[in-house]
Amino acid sequence: EVQLLESGGDLIQPGGSLRLSCAASGFTFSTYAMNWVRQAPGEGLEWVSSISDGGTRTYYADSVRGRFTISRDNSKNTLYLQMNSLRVEDTAVYYCAKGDSRLFDFWGQGTLVTVSS
Amino acid sequence: SYVLTQPPSVSVAPGQTARITCGGNNIAIKSVHWYQQKPGQAPVLVVYDNSDRPSGIPERFSGSNSGNAATLTISRVEAGDEADYYCQVWDRTTDHSWVFGGGTKLTVL
Repeated sequence: EVQLLESGGDLIQPGGSLRLSCAASGFTFSTYAMNWVRQAPGEGLEWVSSISDGGTRTYYADSVRGRFTISRDNSKNTLYLQMNSLRVEDTAVYYCAKGDSRLFDFWGQGTLVTVSS
Repeated sequence: SYVLTQPPSVSVAPGQTARITCGGNNIAIKSVHWYQQKPGQAPVLVVYDNSDRPSGIPERFSGSNSGNAATLTISRVEAGDEADYYCQVWDRTTDHSWVFGGGTKLTVL
């Protein structure tokens, strides 16, 4: 059974940093691209970042490029999102999602990041 | 960047057919995927590559894509289908970005 368990969400002040983690199980983690998608309170889904199966290719939404860094440790079956220079508008539930290069076929339950002074 | 447009809401009586559209410029050349999100839950993929269903998704869910609009069709709507539905495409033309529509709230009357 595929499982994705996000952690690391917290209340953080603007300008602060946070690292999210996503522990994966139930599938061969190292053979799948992985992604982060977020959802602000009461809003729709927004793609944030993706990383290739081997970790050599990374992609970012314009809204986070230069501030967020996606990475993975295939030996630990874990996906990360390092978030720096956080802004109030980054407040959202952050979902880890498994997928191929085109879609997201399984999602974790999400972790809440609140950026507020 | 590529834009996907969905109606904010669609209402349908139980047993009827719901159709949710997703508009985009020449969207027919792209593969469209659809997600269902119930309140407080994570999204679930219900249709991929325009019209294919993942295992476990009822045949009542189907999709099509033509011209400038893709459509998610839910036949014999049940109360449990009430949810937000999002369309999504992969836009390779803009340095690889994954685009979502704004979402449609399906209300079962």
